[in-house]
Amino acid sequence: SYVLTQPPSVSVAPGQTARITCEGNNIGRKSVHWYQQKPGQAPVVIVYDDSDRPSGIPERFSGSNSGNTATLIISRVDAGDEADYYCQLWDSSSDHYVFGTGTTVTV
Amino acid sequence: EVQLVESGGGLVQPGGSLRLSCAASGFPFSNYWIHWVRQAPGKGLVWVSRTNNDGSTTEYADSVKGRFTISRDNAKNTLYLQMKSLRAEDTAVYYCARENAGYDFADYWGQGTLVTVSS
Repeated sequence: SYVLTQPPSVSVAPGQTARITCEGNNIGRKSVHWYQQKPGQAPVVIVYDDSDRPSGIPERFSGSNSGNTATLIISRVDAGDEADYYCQLWDSSSDHYVFGTGTTVTV
Repeated sequence: EVQLVESGGGLVQPGGSLRLSCAASGFPFSNYWIHWVRQAPGKGLVWVSRTNNDGSTTEYADSVKGRFTISRDNAKNTLYLQMKSLRAEDTAVYYCARENAGYDFADYWGQGTLVTVSS
């Protein structure tokens, strides 16, 4: 089955930029989505189709995807961005959603 | 306003059964694929199952195939997950989530219902 690997944690100072990677075999050929989950809450999609943002999501959140790595970029990080972040894609070979292992961002 | 509200969680013994429900409102339920996703305490998100708009197509994660059954009643705007032969490792918060109409991601999620499998 398809595996998506993320770093367990990322620490970033306020005002700086956080980069969260999501590694998978030829992931650049797939459409990747990113979710933010705060404690006790359901996930919220913040980037879809590699780099698009749903309405209401700040421009500080962006994404890219190439080769074997997709990346979520959070610019001008503030304390409100502390959360778990998950990448996700649809694996057509198995007809399964696949979630990444998740990354905790600490500000 | 799109809403998904799960119910039916609780404490069940290993080997037991439980049926979860997900009541949908604020959108044309019968037009959308719906998923179940779970999250064990302190762990990450794990996809469980999905069904198409009329329930004729269903897919399952290998870990639940043969034990869980997803279904829907479009007249009642409700999604179900029948769980049998429950194991300790099925303990998790179970979320229902609506699949976006144009892309393969979940654009709305419920608040989740906790299932605890323990003796």
